[in-house]
Amino acid sequence: GENVEQHPSTLSVQEGDSAVIKCTYSDSASNYFPWYKQELGKGPQLIIDIRSNVGEKKDQRIAVTLNKTAKHFSLHITETQPEDSAVYFCAASRNTGFQKLVFGTGTRLLVSP
Amino acid sequence: GAVVSQHPSRVICKSGTSVKIECRSLDFQATTMFWYRQFPKKSLMLMATSNEGSKATYEQGVEKDKFLINHASLTLSTLTVTSAHPEDSSFYICSAQLAYTTDTQYFGPGTRLTVL
Repeated sequence: GENVEQHPSTLSVQEGDSAVIKCTYSDSASNYFPWYKQELGKGPQLIIDIRSNVGEKKDQRIAVTLNKTAKHFSLHITETQPEDSAVYFCAASRNTGFQKLVFGTGTRLLVSP
Repeated sequence: GAVVSQHPSRVICKSGTSVKIECRSLDFQATTMFWYRQFPKKSLMLMATSNEGSKATYEQGVEKDKFLINHASLTLSTLTVTSAHPEDSSFYICSAQLAYTTDTQYFGPGTRLTVL
């Protein structure tokens, strides 16, 4: 089955810096890769996703890149703000049938003012 | 759009009692809903996949008689933790998938269950 690894487990940056979180997956048939932000005591919130037919997607300060050959994808946050502090999860799935997401282990991002 | 609610947000119960958690898609129909469990500082663990009008599919190691799932309509799925014990204490989160698609999952806010 699919296995998703995520690094780093914790990431501390200064406000205004960029943050990069990386994930690798094992199932070459996976073709849907969402990223979720989870604040303490809340459910995950979808922040961006990418499908295997594109290599990069951007939404304001957030971007995701996908390298299908290497089976890895990354989340890039530019101009970080304290409110970006949260736990970020990557996930992967085959976009067929019942979409079962396999989650990474999470990255705790701390943005210091 | 794509809002998912859960009720209750927090519940404390005595050991041996049963607890029901509701998951609702508020502004869309969901043929498929998912139930996850999350331990402190850990990732989400899929418990079961719930499809409207049919029996839920449970992940390996999840007791179906312990965690009863009902998906009676396109906007509501329920998880009942039967005869709860302290080890069942956890954060339970549901997600819903837009009807008739294999698209994005939208997550609820979670339910914190504490069993005394």
